[in-house]
Amino acid sequence: AQSVTQLGSHVSVSEGALVLLRCNYSSSVPPYLFWYVQYPNQGLQLLLKYTTGATLVKGINGFEAEFKKSETSFHLTKPSAHMSDAAEYFCAVSDPYSGGGADGLTFGKGTHLIIQP
Amino acid sequence: EAQVTQNPRYLITVTGKKLTVTCSQNMNHEYMSWYRQDPGLGLRQIYYSMNVEVTDKGDVPEGYKVSRKEKRNFPLILESPSPNQTSLYFCASRVRPNSYEQYFGPGTRLTVT
Repeated sequence: AQSVTQLGSHVSVSEGALVLLRCNYSSSVPPYLFWYVQYPNQGLQLLLKYTTGATLVKGINGFEAEFKKSETSFHLTKPSAHMSDAAEYFCAVSDPYSGGGADGLTFGKGTHLIIQP
Repeated sequence: EAQVTQNPRYLITVTGKKLTVTCSQNMNHEYMSWYRQDPGLGLRQIYYSMNVEVTDKGDVPEGYKVSRKEKRNFPLILESPSPNQTSLYFCASRVRPNSYEQYFGPGTRLTVT
């Protein structure tokens, strides 16, 4: 079984500061990894994904994440926070060999990002 | 526009009164699923469907039913809602069961009193 741990249910940063949201996973096979963003009163939107190849992946809105196999991590970063980045962020892991189903996609519990003016 | 739609977006009901939340996608996706989102618990899968007439339980199926009679629709049925089913519900779809990109609906906020 796979699992995802997001460190910190709430993260607060100042506008213009570095954003770092932490995600660690466990998986018995090389996983696919995702970050989703949920703005208030909206559904989840895919921010970025890692499947194979380059371990540093870039997403929308200036976010990027790096897959570190040795650390089983997939932390999300953005060099300079903007007020519009305030949202809930979910890390998710997928077993590419699961064929979908109940183990197809496992979400972390989410991190609420607060941007201080 | 490619999208997943859900109705209603907000619903307040009473214990025991049957309700259905509809979900529809216009992308011809084979795979659809339902999640519930609760504070501090993230998203948990309720039911999923790999294709028409093929459904199976997710992590938290108790108290829910689904059907998949058409490819585009995947309604969530609560036969006898209880207060512990008060939650935010999301429908999602992807092209095939083993596709990695999932598309989410806007959510349905359900309150059971």
